[in-house]
Amino acid sequence: DAGVIQSPRHEVTEMGQEVTLRCKPISGHDYLFWYRQTMMRGLELLIYFNNNVPIDDSGMPEDRFSAKMPNASFSTLKIQPSEPRDSAVYFCASSFSDPSYNEQFFGPGTRLTVL
Amino acid sequence: AQSVTQLDSQVPVFEEAPVELRCNYSSSVSVYLFWYVQYPNQGLQLLLKYLSGSTLVKGINGFEAEFNKSQTSFHLRKPSVHISDTAEYFCAVSERSSYKLIFGSGTRLLVRP
Repeated sequence: DAGVIQSPRHEVTEMGQEVTLRCKPISGHDYLFWYRQTMMRGLELLIYFNNNVPIDDSGMPEDRFSAKMPNASFSTLKIQPSEPRDSAVYFCASSFSDPSYNEQFFGPGTRLTVL
Repeated sequence: AQSVTQLDSQVPVFEEAPVELRCNYSSSVSVYLFWYVQYPNQGLQLLLKYLSGSTLVKGINGFEAEFNKSQTSFHLRKPSVHISDTAEYFCAVSERSSYKLIFGSGTRLLVRP
């Protein structure tokens, strides 16, 4: 298996533009997580899905952020409009069955820079 | 609410020396504990986890950790480090009724020749 796949690996955009980050989880995994990593706040959980359904989005910072999972093999995280403070590394992770004790497999991340 | 504290932001150590990375957590309920490692420009990968049973947990790459319930700690150790162990190490906790992983701020291990 190729592991969790994220695209793009790097994104540079200007303030006000729409940004879409993409994730393909490991086949057969039924949980998908989106995290954000910054120097100031560390690693934060934004939202997670179970069987394509959003379960907890309490970590989504504001309405400019939205996430979807139209099928078991694809998820997107969208920021519209983007702001410089959104600059961070965004990770997608997936897990099989109960992720409270099962390993979460992380993708390589998308480094987002908003100018 | 759960929280994880990694007091050391950076730990420099010479190659082949032992190392301990400290982790303390707070939670009012039973928890699962994890250590993840992040190599430069990569995602996190699991080193080891404690679910129940023996308090000494062995993981990959020669790392081990000991769960101490009375001190609410889960320190990571390795008896002899290699240059290739240079990375960021994250301690994480999840409550047994929750699917959320709460991460510490990370400790950067810098192994010098």
